[in-house]
Amino acid sequence: ILNVEQSPQSLHVQEGDSTNFTCSFPSSNFYALHWYRWETAKSPEALFVMTLNGDEKKKGRISATLNTKEGYSYLYIKGSQPEDSATYLCASEGPGGGSQGNLIFGKGTKLSVKP
Amino acid sequence: SQTIHQWPATLVQPVGSPLSLECTVEGTSNPNLYWYRQAAGRGLQLLFYSIGIDQISSEVPQNLSASRPQDRQFILSSKKLLLSDSGFYLCAWSVGRTFAGEQYFGPGTRLTVT
Repeated sequence: ILNVEQSPQSLHVQEGDSTNFTCSFPSSNFYALHWYRWETAKSPEALFVMTLNGDEKKKGRISATLNTKEGYSYLYIKGSQPEDSATYLCASEGPGGGSQGNLIFGKGTKLSVKP
Repeated sequence: SQTIHQWPATLVQPVGSPLSLECTVEGTSNPNLYWYRQAAGRGLQLLFYSIGIDQISSEVPQNLSASRPQDRQFILSSKKLLLSDSGFYLCAWSVGRTFAGEQYFGPGTRLTVT
């Protein structure tokens, strides 16, 4: 059974601060690591999908890195803005006993950015 | 473009009553379909997934069931709801038979069992 852990559980920052959160996952039978952003009253939205050790992805002020050997991924937000306020979910994708392509989600990191 | 619909948006049901949540996808063919639930204080948990019509796999034992009567329709049901069934239910789709593909989520249904 896969277990995906995210930290911190919640984070409060001021506008303009840079921040990062962590996702840890079992490194065995790893296929891909997904990051999603889930804003209140909206659907989760995919940010990144990473598959290779050392992968780095960037979208605007948000970037992510992946270490499959030690089983962790970091999400960075540079110069946080109030619109970045959301819950950030990571999910590990693995074979899981025939459940191909299925995701195991962490509980998320809830980010609040104060103007 | 692809669109995913879920209804109802919110639902309050008494314990022991039946449940039917519906999800439909437009603009794609033969998608993988998923039902997730987020219970209070917990992460998104995969309940069911489907790779085709009438092909349903359950990830966790429970009193819920799922059906896929048409290619782009996914239904979550229960004959008798429990208090522990309360939560936020999300339907999602992905391109079929691929790994490392994005999943696209619907707007969700907030279910409160009283």
